[in-house]
Amino acid sequence: ETVMTQSPATLSLSPGDSATLSCRASQSVSNSRLAWYQQKPGQAPRLLIYAATTRATGVPARFSGSESGAVFTLTINSLQSEDFAVYYCQQYNDWPLSFGGGTKVQIK
Amino acid sequence: EVQLLESGGGLVQPGGSLRLSCAASGFTLTNYAMSWVRQAPGKGLEWVSLISDTGTFIKYADSVRGRFTISRDTSRNTLFLQMSSLRAEDSAIYYCARDFSAGVGYIHYFGSWGQGDLVTVSS
Repeated sequence: ETVMTQSPATLSLSPGDSATLSCRASQSVSNSRLAWYQQKPGQAPRLLIYAATTRATGVPARFSGSESGAVFTLTINSLQSEDFAVYYCQQYNDWPLSFGGGTKVQIK
Repeated sequence: EVQLLESGGGLVQPGGSLRLSCAASGFTLTNYAMSWVRQAPGKGLEWVSLISDTGTFIKYADSVRGRFTISRDTSRNTLFLQMSSLRAEDSAIYYCARDFSAGVGYIHYFGSWGQGDLVTVSS
């Protein structure tokens, strides 16, 4: 079972700042099988990134994903008001599918 | 337009049963793998179960295996989750979610989600 660990749990930033969110896998995630989601209060999650680096349709270019070994990173450049939310990573390399615990990006 | 509409949630006593439904529109279940994902109040996301596009490949999380059953009715284009021997820790919003891509085995991330249905297990 692959355990996904996200850090930090909470990120307090101001609009215009950049956010760097980390997701570490307990074992190798082959073929970049990692997705990122955004969830706002009272809403279902929304797919942002898949295959570690590919933005889903309609996702602004300020969102980017990267990978270095077992560590995946979601970067949000120039935070907009609508970006304050909780972000989850999910690996789809093995069973069971698993999510990280989430990073809350809140307004400072 | 893809739409997923969950129903069937509610309050149930520990040890009880409940069946969730997810009515799909805008696409055909036989073209996509479908999952149930849950979220306990104030907590993160937990994948629960998946059924493949062919309906022949099914997977469960360890936490629900033997108690939950995923199925579908292709004539109604509807996904189900039969839940039995429910426990307090099963209390959550249950989302149905569609794979992003059609017919791609072993690639399971979620491009479409329902709005969720709340299940509360309490006496």
